Amino acid sequence: DTEVTQTPKHLVMGMTNKKSLKCEQHMGHRAMYWYKQKAKKPPELMFVYSYEKLSINESVPSRFSPECPNSSLLNLHLHALQPEDSALYLCASSYGQGNNSPLHFGNGTRLTVT
Amino acid sequence: AQSVTQLGSHVSVSEGALVLLRCNYSSSVPPYLFWYVQYPNQGLQLLLKYTTGATLVKGINGFEAEFKKSETSFHLTKPSAHMSDAAEYFCAVSAVPNTGNQFYFGTGTSLTVIP
Repeated sequence: DTEVTQTPKHLVMGMTNKKSLKCEQHMGHRAMYWYKQKAKKPPELMFVYSYEKLSINESVPSRFSPECPNSSLLNLHLHALQPEDSALYLCASSYGQGNNSPLHFGNGTRLTVT
Repeated sequence: AQSVTQLGSHVSVSEGALVLLRCNYSSSVPPYLFWYVQYPNQGLQLLLKYTTGATLVKGINGFEAEFKKSETSFHLTKPSAHMSDAAEYFCAVSAVPNTGNQFYFGTGTSLTVIP
């Protein structure tokens, strides 16, 4: 069982839809992350929130919009996506944005854009 | 700058045989190193980590890794492979805090266990 919970597990959306991915952790971690993972590839960092403030945006297109309502929750709002955005979206958290604090991953949301 | 190289994108071993997955890193500062495992349709699970101290690190599921500074390596081993070890394995190095990014992942090694 993972301590980082992501919903939904699967999502199919059209290119004109608006949807949101949700992530929750109750480990007291103060850093939360969104990663995108294509098949047979390593995760690619999208966003980092540290103490509920956006600290890193890896030049992600504006059709992806992150939100951190509080220290336990992380959302990723999706709008006008492209088929190439289909991927596994992973949420992770860590105790801090320090260099010896491991990432704890959720099981991801499998997104298909039609 | 930090980077990770995993030699061998696919490794096959027989059940009961030694598992050796290779990871070399590049880091301008003392690194923090991690191994993660990913089973199909799941997220990444931490196997083990090296931060400071003992260079031989033991992790979950019988895996261990040894940090060798002279070889800039952090290879993952397990004495006897089980069928349940079949998965994707990622080595990662973390950056110092002031660079802003935290983790650099290797390209992954897919482990197949042959019965």
